[in-house]
Amino acid sequence: KAGVTQTPRYLIKTRGQQVTLSCSPISGHRSVSWYQQTPGQGLQFLFEYFSETQRNKGNFPGRFSGRQFSNSRSEMNVSTLELGDSALYLCASRDTEESPLHFGNGTRLTVT
Amino acid sequence: DAKTTQPPSMDCAEGRAANLPCNHSTISGNEYVYWYRQIHSQGPQYIIHGLKNNETNEMASLIITEDRKSSTLILPHATLRDTAVYYCIHRRAAGNMLTFGGGTRLMVKP
Repeated sequence: KAGVTQTPRYLIKTRGQQVTLSCSPISGHRSVSWYQQTPGQGLQFLFEYFSETQRNKGNFPGRFSGRQFSNSRSEMNVSTLELGDSALYLCASRDTEESPLHFGNGTRLTVT
Repeated sequence: DAKTTQPPSMDCAEGRAANLPCNHSTISGNEYVYWYRQIHSQGPQYIIHGLKNNETNEMASLIITEDRKSSTLILPHATLRDTAVYYCIHRRAAGNMLTFGGGTRLMVKP
């Protein structure tokens, strides 16, 4: 099976712009979650989707949003980008609640 | 996820066993111990998890103490490709949110 695929791999944006990141989970996995990883804050949970519904949400401002499609693919959107949004954004999927998370290689976003 | 304590760095000779310790003294009865690793510029990779019994898979072995307050990840024959940051966490199985601590930076040397 192919792993979790995230696109694009790298992205450079300027402050005030918006960005959309894409994630394709492992085939058959219906749960997709998103994480932000920075050197200072470590790994932080953004949100989780299951069957097109947001199931959990972390402590991030409303500028961060996401959605999941019927084929389980997910997108994450960040509007009005700030310098502090520069980070590695990771997507993870799993097939059941008891299964471990499987991560993609992330999208490295740089905001200038 | 509650806090775990790991040494910040360790070295291991190639071909030798790497033993990575983790203290998780606040673990609850229904929480599992999970190990992930992250190689630079890649996403975290799941390694192994366990509740109270020792576990082994094709990547590693997990030894959990009887009181469950600590565990050790064992890579039986470390290779250069095992150089990574290793994270230990404990959480309920049916839960999504993960919080990684600082982890252990394992350097495998030839």
